Amino acid sequence: GAGVSQSPSNKVTEKGKDVELRCDPISGHTALYWYRQSLGQGLEFLIYFQGNSAPDKSGLPSDRFSAERTGGSVSTLTIQRTQQEDSAVYLCASSPTLSTISNQPQHFGDGTRLSIL
Amino acid sequence: KQEVTQIPAALSVPEGENLVLNCSFTDSAIYNLQWFRQDPGKGLTSLLLIQSSQREQTSGRLNASLDKSSGRSTLYIAASQPGDSATYLCASCEDRGSTLGRLYFGRGTQLTVWP
Repeated sequence: GAGVSQSPSNKVTEKGKDVELRCDPISGHTALYWYRQSLGQGLEFLIYFQGNSAPDKSGLPSDRFSAERTGGSVSTLTIQRTQQEDSAVYLCASSPTLSTISNQPQHFGDGTRLSIL
Repeated sequence: KQEVTQIPAALSVPEGENLVLNCSFTDSAIYNLQWFRQDPGKGLTSLLLIQSSQREQTSGRLNASLDKSSGRSTLYIAASQPGDSATYLCASCEDRGSTLGRLYFGRGTQLTVWP
């Protein structure tokens, strides 16, 4: 597609349930990033992928969070046993390759707004 | 860990004014400095990217400068318009090892331009 696509755009779920958030990067972009935006913390990095591998998982807040990427394209962020503090907007971004990061901005999707009741 | 600070947190001005938004960062080892715009309920739109070797970038009414040694960047908006109303975020791009490409964001400046 023309831009980064995220689904669902909104998700409301009960505490304790598992949720899956999906990101379709711009076609041909090999680098993919997940960020979380919450009122208390601003925008914070979660994880990034180069191809299908994740060299940096240091931003994942707990072991309830995991992410995968298949075929160098679609990525899924999974949150298990959701807690109220997981409520936030989850943003995905992509960029062409790591070799171009010095001069290529990251392109962001519109995010998934997650609300935990 | 990189810390990015933006001042002011909010700004409300009449149409036509020239504006300056400030961003500071603690670690000068950056690949680039990026400015984004975020409209309510939307993702981030890239405005300007300044590479670490550059001093400034311009796009239309926007001009961003970078002083790596002092850890500062400034976004200048000329002749502001109501359509410029949004939250402006600056982000530094990490250049170290396994965290290469990671963005560190400020909390943003919420701009309102009234007619």
